[in-house]
Amino acid sequence: TQLLEQSPQFLSIQEGENLTVYCNSSSVFSSLQWYRQEPGEGPVLLVTVVTGGEVKKLKRLTFQFGDARKDSSLHITAAQTGDTGLYLCAAFANTGNQFYFGTGTSLTVIP
Amino acid sequence: KAGVTQTPRYLIKTRGQQVTLSCSPISGHRSVSWYQQTPGQGLQFLFEYFSETQRNKGNFPGRFSGRQFSNSRSEMNVSTLELGDSALYLCASRQQSTDTQYFGPGTRLTVL
Repeated sequence: TQLLEQSPQFLSIQEGENLTVYCNSSSVFSSLQWYRQEPGEGPVLLVTVVTGGEVKKLKRLTFQFGDARKDSSLHITAAQTGDTGLYLCAAFANTGNQFYFGTGTSLTVIP
Repeated sequence: KAGVTQTPRYLIKTRGQQVTLSCSPISGHRSVSWYQQTPGQGLQFLFEYFSETQRNKGNFPGRFSGRQFSNSRSEMNVSTLELGDSALYLCASRQQSTDTQYFGPGTRLTVL
């Protein structure tokens, strides 16, 4: 079983549309990260959220950490073709003493 | 500050051979983790090194091993390569204060 479940797994939208990606868990985390990965490259860190209820904005991207620090969402406004990629959430869990990654959301933005 | 670097970027090997991959973490980061990424399995944790000691290990066979040097650079070795070892191998260095990992560009290993 996955510690972090992401949804949807695949998303294909038109340029200019909005979208939300979810990352859910039954575990509580002290922090959670979102990454974007392009084919053949390593994941690039987008944001780290630390406080329950925290909202962080990065241009057209809005990240939210759930009040209970078990879940997070990534919202993209007016998607652009450059947003295409694999979005991964990740968190460090004391159980197992390692980072866990979500299943990933593959986003394709069509011009 | 320079990011995480990995060498080589691409490797082609044949079954039965062995391979060594290298990773240099961000300056000041003492923790280095290795991951295997495949389309079917996603990102899977291999092991983590901290101050030259393996701190944690994922569920991979003993053919996968690693080490870390006093300058925090790390190497990963895979012996007796199998076709299924073809993957993108990612190294990440960890900022302890925020529990955040920063990834290198990866090494694409193809086993023929």
